[in-house]
Amino acid sequence: DIEMTQSPSTLSASVGDRVTIVCRASQSITSYLNWYQQKPGDAPKLLIYAASTLHSGVPSRFSGSGSGTDFTLTISSLQPEDFATYYCQNSYTIPLTFGGGTKVELK
Amino acid sequence: QVQLQESGPGLVKPSQTLSLTCTVSGGSISTDTYYCNWIRQTAGKGLEWLGRIYTTGRTNHNPSLESRVTISVDTSKNQFSLKLTSVTAEDTAVYFCAREVYGWDSGSWYFDLWGRGTLVTVSS
Repeated sequence: DIEMTQSPSTLSASVGDRVTIVCRASQSITSYLNWYQQKPGDAPKLLIYAASTLHSGVPSRFSGSGSGTDFTLTISSLQPEDFATYYCQNSYTIPLTFGGGTKVELK
Repeated sequence: QVQLQESGPGLVKPSQTLSLTCTVSGGSISTDTYYCNWIRQTAGKGLEWLGRIYTTGRTNHNPSLESRVTISVDTSKNQFSLKLTSVTAEDTAVYFCAREVYGWDSGSWYFDLWGRGTLVTVSS
């Protein structure tokens, strides 16, 4: 199985901050990496697919980059509605696997 | 607008079979082409992919669950189903169904639509 490791597990930030979350795959997944946002009590929501393609309706302050084993999700200017948990997901091979999550909380 | 809704018992006894249904509304499984996935979430293990079924019936499963998982599709009811046998307390989780579609612009698959999830507790 491809293991997905996210860092940090928790990130404290303020509104307006630039935030970067890292996701590392245990082997190359080329660009088959997706990012999701989840708020308490809700299902995850797709933000970015194929490492860097913004899903329809997602604000442009979200961006993704990377390929191979190292990926990043960046929020250029954190908004109040962005406090949530973020997950990366390997879509390269079965079994599909998720990172452990990064909780973005208010500093 | 397509929506997914999970349903099934919220409490299952140990060693029994967990059975859940994902009902698709606003679209037809018979004419659409995508994977329906089952994913569960626990505080301890995070998000765990259980398996998926294509609308034509082709399936993939997580090898970690060995032969405990069965996923099926009923086009007449516009539903997908999950069965997990021989459950233990470790199977207590929120279970989601999620639609996985292919992005022709990127050549990749992703979960673009999720149900709200249903909590299943395994306890006697």
